[in-house]
Amino acid sequence: DIQMTQSPSSLSASVGDRVTITCRASQDISNSLTWFQQKPGKAPKSLIYDASTLQSGVPSKFSGSGSGTDFTLTISSLQPEDFATYSCQQYKTYPYTFGPGTKVDIK
Amino acid sequence: EVQLVESGGGLVQPGGSLRLSCAASGFTLSDHYMDWVRQAPGKGLEWVARSRNKANGYTTEYAASAKGRLTISRDDSKNSLYLQMNSLRTEDTAVYYCARGFHGFDVWGQGTTVTVSS
Repeated sequence: DIQMTQSPSSLSASVGDRVTITCRASQDISNSLTWFQQKPGKAPKSLIYDASTLQSGVPSKFSGSGSGTDFTLTISSLQPEDFATYSCQQYKTYPYTFGPGTKVDIK
Repeated sequence: EVQLVESGGGLVQPGGSLRLSCAASGFTLSDHYMDWVRQAPGKGLEWVARSRNKANGYTTEYAASAKGRLTISRDDSKNSLYLQMNSLRTEDTAVYYCARGFHGFDVWGQGTTVTVSS
């Protein structure tokens, strides 16, 4: 199975900060990566697919980059509604696997 | 509006069975791959199973933890996806989400909770 890791596991940031989260795959997944946002008690919300394409309706403050094994999610200017857990997921090979998540909270 | 609504969760004893349903609206189910994903309490997301679309013969894929016990199926006439869960174990306790497998997983339901406990 492809293992997905994320760093950091958590971070504290202020409103207006630029935040970058890293996701690494244990083998080459090309650009078959998606990013999710999840708030407590809620379903995941898809932000980005194919590593860098914004889902419909997702604000442009979110961006993704990377290919192969290393990927990043960037939030350009953190807003109160962005405090959540962010997870990556590969869909190159079955079984699809998720990263453990990065919790973004208020400094 | 594209929407997925899960139902059928509950409390079941180890070794028991449960059938989860996912009602789709706002799109044609037969056109899309559909998945089940679960999340154990305080844990990360785990992909469980996939049903490919009509054009791909409704073939299926499963996580190792699901093979032989969990079965994904669909009834396109009812625009519904199902997960039949047999021989349930305590480690199957989780919130179960259905998701549309388009552009990654672009649409998610709100989830239904399954608790396996004696």
